[in-house]
Amino acid sequence: QVQLVQSGAEVKKPGASVKVSCKASGYTFTSYGISWVRQAPGQGLEWMGWISAYNGNTNYAQKLQGRVTMTTDTSTSTAYMELRSLRSDDTAVYYCARAGPLGPSYFDYWGQGTLVTVSS
Amino acid sequence: DIQMTQSPSTLSASVGDRVTITCRASQSISSWLAWYQQKPGKAPKLLIYKASSLESGVPSRFSGSGSGTEFTLTISSLQPDDFATYYCQQYNSYSRAFGQGTKVEIK
Repeated sequence: QVQLVQSGAEVKKPGASVKVSCKASGYTFTSYGISWVRQAPGQGLEWMGWISAYNGNTNYAQKLQGRVTMTTDTSTSTAYMELRSLRSDDTAVYYCARAGPLGPSYFDYWGQGTLVTVSS
Repeated sequence: DIQMTQSPSTLSASVGDRVTITCRASQSISSWLAWYQQKPGKAPKLLIYKASSLESGVPSRFSGSGSGTEFTLTISSLQPDDFATYYCQQYNSYSRAFGQGTKVEIK
């Protein structure tokens, strides 16, 4: 069965970076993409960006351009999301989700979420 | 960027009620719309894709309709397990925006 298993919770200071992993299993990793979505406490869902595990193409939300980098390691079927220059308003649960390989799509499987807390 | 607006933000209903949630796009997205259900502390779950296609395993009491800029999610007979927050999401453009969510509460 399809599974996306994310790394554990993180606590970071303002200005630091965080890198969250998302290990996929149960499907051919390179036939899909991975999107990252975050949810601040008590708030709605915010799409952060997408990476194709098929060809490595990326597409980031405009407000995060320059601070976020998404990568994949096809040898381990793992996707990564790194967010730099963290601020308190980056405190959120970060989700990875399986997406299409070539462009915008819906998200049919989700990871369990990773809580990132930014606090001095 | 395309903006997605859901209404209402909160909905109070009883078990057995027919419930309708609306999602409007700021410009046409054809039928490139998905609906998700989220329960507290859990990841979202895909319900509907391409505006009206039911995801495998999702009960048939859920249905979606619409195209262009106006879409609806309908629950034909609300069940106890359906009390949750629902989000629409467009995937016509690279921004892939979500609506702000509709919380379905027990009346």
